[in-house]
Amino acid sequence: QSVLTQPPSASETPGQRVTISCSGTSSNIGNNTVNWYQQLPGMAPRLLIYDNNQRPSGLPDRFSGSKSGTSASLAISGLQSEDEADYYCASWDDSVNGWVFGGGTKVTVL
Amino acid sequence: DVQLVESGGGSVQPGGSLRLSCEASGFIFGAYWMHWVRQIPGKGLEWVSRIDGDGTTTNYADSVRGRVTISRDNVKDTLYLEMNSLRDEDTAVYYCARSRFDFWGQGAVVTVAS
Repeated sequence: QSVLTQPPSASETPGQRVTISCSGTSSNIGNNTVNWYQQLPGMAPRLLIYDNNQRPSGLPDRFSGSKSGTSASLAISGLQSEDEADYYCASWDDSVNGWVFGGGTKVTVL
Repeated sequence: DVQLVESGGGSVQPGGSLRLSCEASGFIFGAYWMHWVRQIPGKGLEWVSRIDGDGTTTNYADSVRGRVTISRDNVKDTLYLEMNSLRDEDTAVYYCARSRFDFWGQGAVVTVAS
């Protein structure tokens, strides 16, 4: 049972937009920033979004993040086949004094 | 280019010990917090531990506290994870990651089984 709650799966057709939610509490998302990671099959995770909505240099602007209260979301627009992957949110948690991850969302491009 | 390369994974019996290493290059190692994150095959990511740049501050997940020690050698640009009293449930791929998890190693496989 992950501290941050994500839907287990999401799917959309190529070119469309998919949004992934990440729900937490006041001790994590509510009081700290959120990062998002993409993990392609058999690969290490890759940072997509940090500090709620910042993209690392070189990352396409098809990926965007937002946060409101104790929830955050990742949006992927112009969905492409190479976006098929698992996506994880993460945040620092003040009550456990550690980082917590969501359970991951598997994105399928139909 | 930033590179993180883990080593030291392997198979160990329950109750055994293992030390993982993560050799860093391409950045000023001592300037960054470093983490260990693990992933049970087919499952999600679980943060294990972190250490600050000079090695004076450490944090651990409840699931490993008391059995695991994180440390670093800023001369060798290497991060370590000493794991003791290993359990079946510690079987996972162990990744080292930098700071805000902006760079990750390729992972080291740890299997705990009799």
